[in-house]
Amino acid sequence: GAGVSQSPRYKVAKRGQDVALRCDPISGHVSLFWYQQALGQGPEFLTYFQNEAQLDKSGLPSDRFFAERPEGSVSTLKIQRTQQEDSAVYLCASSSTTANTGELFFGEGSRLTVL
Amino acid sequence: GENVEQHPSTLSVQEGDSAVIKCTYSDSASNYFPWYKQELGKGPQLIIDIRSNVGEKKDQRIAVTLNKTAKHFSLHITETQPEDSAVYFCAATSRGSTLTFGKGTMLLVSP
Repeated sequence: GAGVSQSPRYKVAKRGQDVALRCDPISGHVSLFWYQQALGQGPEFLTYFQNEAQLDKSGLPSDRFFAERPEGSVSTLKIQRTQQEDSAVYLCASSSTTANTGELFFGEGSRLTVL
Repeated sequence: GENVEQHPSTLSVQEGDSAVIKCTYSDSASNYFPWYKQELGKGPQLIIDIRSNVGEKKDQRIAVTLNKTAKHFSLHITETQPEDSAVYFCAATSRGSTLTFGKGTMLLVSP
């Protein structure tokens, strides 16, 4: 596709449920990032992949959060035993460069609401 | 790690006026400073960026200035139009670290 595609766009989960969010980056982009954006805040870094390698997961808030990119293309962010504080928009971004100083192309995000 | 402060949090201007958004950063190693625009329900989109080897960059109605000594950078939008209304984020990073965003400025341009 022409841009970064994320699904689902909206997800409502009951507290304690597991959720999986998918990101389809721009074809050929080696770098993939996940960000969490709370209401009225800037995006906050969660994790970074270069191809299939997860090079930085320092932003994942707890061990309930897990991300993978097994074939170096599509990525999935999984949140286990969701809590209300997990409610946010989860943004995926891809980049054609391996440096952190290049343009990020963001998807429209997956809005997660935990009841 | 890097800390980016952005202000104002909201900015209302009349169409045709100029708008200025200011950011400060904490890590003197940061050398890349992008600005992203986010419209409602969309992901952020890069509008302009500046690297530490220049002090100013311009692209039509948008300009960014950087003062490395003071560790602050600013976005200037001239001749604002209603379609400029959005949330603007500044960010800072250096090679090997992650991009850190400010909290955003909601710009409202009234016709």
